[in-house]
Amino acid sequence: RKEVEQDPGPFNVPEGATVAFNCTYSNSASQSFFWYRQDCRKEPKLLMSVYSSGNEDGRFTAQLNRASQYISLLIRDSKLSDSATYLCVVNIDRADGLTFGKGTHLIIQP
Amino acid sequence: NAGVTQTPKFQVLKTGQSMTLQCAQDMNHEYMSWYRQDPGMGLRLIHYSVGAGITDQGEVPNGYNVSRSTTEDFPLRLLSAAPSQTSVYFCASSYSIWDAGNTIYFGEGSWLTVV
Repeated sequence: RKEVEQDPGPFNVPEGATVAFNCTYSNSASQSFFWYRQDCRKEPKLLMSVYSSGNEDGRFTAQLNRASQYISLLIRDSKLSDSATYLCVVNIDRADGLTFGKGTHLIIQP
Repeated sequence: NAGVTQTPKFQVLKTGQSMTLQCAQDMNHEYMSWYRQDPGMGLRLIHYSVGAGITDQGEVPNGYNVSRSTTEDFPLRLLSAAPSQTSVYFCASSYSIWDAGNTIYFGEGSWLTVV
């Protein structure tokens, strides 16, 4: 069965620090990859897509390693507002849709 | 505001009762889906639809029914509520399943408690 695995955390990180977490996926047929952010008692929202060559969006950098089947997210200069749960999401491009990891809980401390 | 609208936001049911969670989107999206989210379990797909008149089962369909009579609406019916169905339910839509990761919109969630 398709699986996406993440360290649930929590990651307690001081403001301004750099934090990184990984996600592994088991289905080698996975085609597209994403990081979503979910705030407490809110719906998930797309943070960024993950491209094979790696991509950056401001303080956020995502990497994909297809050979080892993992995805990473790096957050630099962390802000208090980065506190959230980060969901790794994989799409095998089948009609049954996206597979979500259980999420990594990040707490940025002042 | 455009987007995905779910109702009700909160509901308490007694075991054995039935109810319908409503979901509507006004973006003319073909793909709609229902997920449930439980502590420590992540989001799991219940049912999905790739267009009006077409529905299919996801990972955890037992105890739920759906229908898609229009493009806009995708209600989720609990046939006979059980405590195991206590969860947060999210409806989602996207233009196409093939680009769902980039284009999916979630409703704000429905918190359901079955006692």
